[in-house]
Amino acid sequence: EAQVTQNPRYLITVTGKKLTVTCSQNMNHEYMSWYRQDPGLGLRQIYYSMNVEVTDKGDVPEGYKVSRKEKRNFPLILESPSPNQTSLYFCASSHRGSEQYFGPGTRLTVT
Amino acid sequence: EDQVTQSPEALRLQEGESSSLNCSYTVSGLRGLFWYRQDPGKGPEFLFTLYSAGEEKEKERLKATLTKKESFLHITAPKPEDSATYLCASYNQGGKLIFGQGTELSVKP
Repeated sequence: EAQVTQNPRYLITVTGKKLTVTCSQNMNHEYMSWYRQDPGLGLRQIYYSMNVEVTDKGDVPEGYKVSRKEKRNFPLILESPSPNQTSLYFCASSHRGSEQYFGPGTRLTVT
Repeated sequence: EDQVTQSPEALRLQEGESSSLNCSYTVSGLRGLFWYRQDPGKGPEFLFTLYSAGEEKEKERLKATLTKKESFLHITAPKPEDSATYLCASYNQGGKLIFGQGTELSVKP
């Protein structure tokens, strides 16, 4: 089944404790992206990647890191999470210029 | 500036009451206008892609249309299960997918 998977789905952590949210797709898509969604603010892009080893900042990259060492994986790293990073996070993938397919979401709470 | 704007922000309908959602875009060199449905707490689900003015696509009670400046999502005789947030999006020339803020649709029985 073609899909985008994210792990974990739910995470509660404390300020400053490094964490990684994994994202994997099995559709051989070149393009992958991370979004966060907050009430009243819609979907905001954090980082995106056009292909392996190619990443670029989205609208709200501060406090986040990404890497794209393999085509199928695009992990999101929070080196020192803060409460303002409490949000619902989505990973998405697509062929370039085509519709994006979204993962199920990761709900992160930072206390 | 590349921008995608949706209206209304929220729409409440009675079951069977048809209506339309609007998505206007100011993205240079349109490379597709995408519609998504999002249920609370879930990832957006792809509905349609439109590429050129005059194009129309249908799926069950939904029909998407495109002009040179806007797209409409027409909902015919909606049912409560159509309640969701509907998002439109378009790529800009830099390859970034720009989303509108969404229209939250509520259909009451």
